[in-house]
Amino acid sequence: DSGVTQTPKHLITATGQRVTLRCSPRSGDLSVYWYQQSLDQGLQFLIQYYNGEERAKGNILERFSAQQFPDLHSELNLSSLELGDSALYFCASSVGPGAIGAEAFFGQGTRLTVV
Amino acid sequence: DAKTTQPNSMESNEEEPVHLPCNHSTISGTDYIHWYRQLPSQGPEYVIHGLTSNVNNRMASLAIAEDRKSSTLILHRATLRDAAVYYCILRDVFGDRDDKIIFGKGTRLHILP
Repeated sequence: DSGVTQTPKHLITATGQRVTLRCSPRSGDLSVYWYQQSLDQGLQFLIQYYNGEERAKGNILERFSAQQFPDLHSELNLSSLELGDSALYFCASSVGPGAIGAEAFFGQGTRLTVV
Repeated sequence: DAKTTQPNSMESNEEEPVHLPCNHSTISGTDYIHWYRQLPSQGPEYVIHGLTSNVNNRMASLAIAEDRKSSTLILHRATLRDAAVYYCILRDVFGDRDDKIIFGKGTRLHILP
């Protein structure tokens, strides 16, 4: 158990809908990272937050947004869903930015299926 | 983003040592070398990291070349549970330049019983 909790574990929804994925970081971790993993794309970095503020951005679609709340949990919002958004979405947390914060701990992921 | 190069796949026999190479010829002085692995149907997990000196922990050893342009992850005695995709990643020491933790394609390690 990494200490990072992601909910829900599975989500099935229809095209055009909107969903929210939730991530609770390990106690004391201030950084949260979001990743998308589909079969043909590998692990794609989406976005990172540190202590409530956006710190780094990857190839995140405009239909996707995220935020980190004062209690440090994070939510990834996916809207106008398309079939191609079906993937595993991982959240990770670490103490702080960069390698000084050492390792990142990953959750078990949310499997999103868009039908 | 700093880049790493790893073989697509490797095979090893169970209970034998495994050496997983990684090239990072454009590494900067403030980049740490991190290794993660992803077991089937799980999220990635941290394995080890180092800056200049070789490092050991309960999971593996990390051997870093003197010029830091390459490194090798060593699993001393592979088990079937070590079958996974192994990722070599460079991370800036303070995260000011790049804190994205970019995963490449990694090396898929197959363990033969």
